Amino acid sequence: SQKIEQNSEALNIQEGKTATLTCNYTNYSPAYLQWYRQDPGRGPVFLLLIRENEKEKRKERLKVTFDTTLKQSLFHITASQPADSATYLCALSNYGQNFVFGPGTRLSVLP
Amino acid sequence: SAVISQKPSRDICQRGTSLTIQCQVDSQVTMMFWYRQQPGQSLTLIATANQGSEATYESGFVIDKFPISRPNLTFSTLTVSNMSPEDSSIYLCSVGSSGRGPDEQFFGPGTRLTVL
Repeated sequence: SQKIEQNSEALNIQEGKTATLTCNYTNYSPAYLQWYRQDPGRGPVFLLLIRENEKEKRKERLKVTFDTTLKQSLFHITASQPADSATYLCALSNYGQNFVFGPGTRLSVLP
Repeated sequence: SAVISQKPSRDICQRGTSLTIQCQVDSQVTMMFWYRQQPGQSLTLIATANQGSEATYESGFVIDKFPISRPNLTFSTLTVSNMSPEDSSIYLCSVGSSGRGPDEQFFGPGTRLTVL
């Protein structure tokens, strides 16, 4: 069955450093991979989408890579700020199908 | 983008009762999705609600327990029937940006349900 893993339940990082979150999957060949941010008590908010034929995507301080050979995506936040503290979810989908969400990583950026 | 509202935002219910959650979108969309997020866990898709047809349920979810209505392109309801404490969860609706399927998804704020 499909399985999505995200590195560690929680990640603590010092302000100004680069946070790197990992999303690994098995028994799946997604066409799309997305990253969402979720704050406590709120619904997830879309951040980035990357397609299977793309290696890297950037948006401001965010960068996502997608390695279909390793079955892995890395999500980087550069120059992290305390306001970046949240839970980050990866989600995978095939064409015309719904997204399957990973368990999430809770990021804390310490001042 | 789409703006999604849900009602109620939270509720505390007794075992054996039912609760209907409403989801309103500020634009017309073809597909709406209902998710459950249990405490400390990620999102699990319950069903996809298409206007004018029966909802499509994921494995482990059945229509008798989670009946869904989709009367028009901007509105849907999810009912949690005959509730038990195991149904305590956050229920979220979402829509895809294109309306044709799951590209970027926009989520409502969620309904926090506690079953005693």
